[in-house]
Amino acid sequence: AQTVTQSQPEMSVQEAETVTLSCTYDTSENNYYLFWYKQPPSRQMILVIRQEAYKQQNATENRFSVNFQKAAKSFSLKISDSQLGDTAMYFCAFMKLTQGGSEKLVFGKGTKLTVNP
Amino acid sequence: NAGVTQTPKFQVLKTGQSMTLQCAQDMNHEYMSWYRQDPGMGLRLIHYSVGAGITDQGEVPNGYNVSRSTTEDFPLRLLSAAPSQTSVYFCASSYSGLRPREKLFFGSGTQLSVL
Repeated sequence: AQTVTQSQPEMSVQEAETVTLSCTYDTSENNYYLFWYKQPPSRQMILVIRQEAYKQQNATENRFSVNFQKAAKSFSLKISDSQLGDTAMYFCAFMKLTQGGSEKLVFGKGTKLTVNP
Repeated sequence: NAGVTQTPKFQVLKTGQSMTLQCAQDMNHEYMSWYRQDPGMGLRLIHYSVGAGITDQGEVPNGYNVSRSTTEDFPLRLLSAAPSQTSVYFCASSYSGLRPREKLFFGSGTQLSVL
């Protein structure tokens, strides 16, 4: 079974600064995807970024980037130029690839990020 | 398009009561699923469906029933509510299976309290 660990329950950062959220996972699979989801106070789940395990290049989406270390099973999220709207819960998630499509995402417990003015 | 609609948004139940959480999508999605979110636990899969008439269990199915009689609807039933089922429930759907390159659409959640 796959497990996802987010070791930082809460973090804070000053506006305009950079913050890195940590995520590690455990799997025996070789083909999988990793995701970061954002959940603001509105409770809506928003996909921030995804990474394919077979790609060595780290994914980036505007101010969001990941540091994917496959051998170490580490998948951290870096938020640059933090904005007040980045205040949210952030969840790391794992998806195993199957021929017919995976049936679930495995989520970490989340990191609550607060961006201070 | 309305996307994924969950009703009600909030509900308070007494132990032993039954209720159904509704989930509807208007995007002709084959895949629908239910997650629960507990503080400090992340989201955990309860049940999922890959099409009308097909359902399967997820990680935490005990105490919940589902059925999928139409493509649009995927209700979650609590037959005898327990305080351990106090949680926020999310419905999520995608077009064809849960695939990494397909967007997973989430509803806005139902906050359930069981006293």
